[in-house]
This record gives sequence, structure tokens and C-alpha cells, in this order.
Amino acid sequence: EVQVVESGGGLTQPGGSLKLSCIVSGLTFSGSYMSWVRQAPGKGPEWVSVIYRSGNAYYADSVKGRFTISRDNSKNTLYLQMNSLRADDTAVYYCARATGTGPLYFFDYWGQGTLVTVSS
Amino acid sequence: DIQMTQSPSTLSASVGDRVTITCRASQSVSDWLAWYHQKPGKAPKLLISKASKLESGVPSRFSGSGSGTEFTLTIDSLQPDDFATYYCQQYDSFSVTFGQGTKVELK
Repeated sequence: EVQVVESGGGLTQPGGSLKLSCIVSGLTFSGSYMSWVRQAPGKGPEWVSVIYRSGNAYYADSVKGRFTISRDNSKNTLYLQMNSLRADDTAVYYCARATGTGPLYFFDYWGQGTLVTVSS
Repeated sequence: DIQMTQSPSTLSASVGDRVTITCRASQSVSDWLAWYHQKPGKAPKLLISKASKLESGVPSRFSGSGSGTEFTLTIDSLQPDDFATYYCQQYDSFSVTFGQGTKVELK
């Protein structure tokens, strides 16, 4: 059974930082593209970042320069370092496996999400 | 970014109804389109990929069709577990995008 478990969310002030973690089991983590997808209250999901097997990483324009995705294949763990947080970063953040054809991917396994709230 | 527009935003239906949700892309995405549904407080669940490929374990009452800019998700004989919000997602471009959602509620 595939399990995806996020942690690290919480309340932080504008300009603050948080680091999310995601532990994956039941699939070949090192062979998978992994992604962060967020969902603001009452909105549709929004792709945030993806990291390839190679370690190459890509970001949505809205977070580029502020967020950093990384992975530790020895621990089957995905990370998202979030700096310079803004109120509009408030959302549930999901860790998801990205699968598909080359760089064209959808998301087949998702975690339960971790809530990030940015407010003074 | 490619914009995805779903209609309707809300759909009221009864158990046993056949329902159809439409998703339109602002430019062609070929058949690189996925459908998900989401229950309150839960993560999205993948239903269909490549516009019409039913994922393993998804009931056959779900079907997807379309290509280019217009896609549909059809649920034959709506079941109580199907009341949820449905999202389409294009993955033709590097920056994948989702629709705003269609809530299927009990009439």
C-alpha cells in the first residue's frame, strides 16, 4: 500500500519561513518524480513545484525564488523549504507523485495535506 | 499558463442520474488531460488520465472524452459516493494547471 505523509505545516507571520516534509512508502521513491501541489481555501489545486529523479527542480512563477524543493532518496523523503512567506501562500500543501510521459505529468498518489497559514 | 475552465460550477443531481461535466482549455492540450474528484477535507483522487484512460480501481460508470480544447467527464448512474467536487488538470505544458472545480451536490 502506498502511503504519503506530509508534516511541517503551521502558522507563521508574513516574511517567515517553514519547511515541509513528506515521507513516502510503498512505491519506488527514487524512481519517481515528486511534486508539491497546494490548495487555498475554496479554490482549485495549484501546482507549486516538481523535482525529477535527476534532482532537476522546477517551480511555479508564484513561488520561484522563495521556495526550494529537495529530496533525500535514502530517507524516501521530499521537502519544501518556504521562505518570504506571504498571506496568499496560505493553503493546504499536498505532496504528490507525478507520473506520466516524460515532463508531462499528472498526480496519482497524494498525501493528506498539511495546512500552512500565513497571518500576522 | 493554459487556463482551464469547468462548467457548470455546481451541478444538482439525484442518485441514478447521468451527469456530464465540461472542461475547456484556453489552447489545445491534445489529450493530456486528467480528472480528479475530491471530498471535503481529503486529497484529490485520480479518476482518469490521457482524457479517457480509466485508472485502476475506478468504477466503470466514470468515463472521459475529448481532445484539443474541449473535454467531458460523464458519470453514468450517479452513486451516493460520487457527490464531491471534480477537477480537470491539463499536463500538456510544463506548468500544469487545474480547473476551478465542479461541485456535484444532491438535488
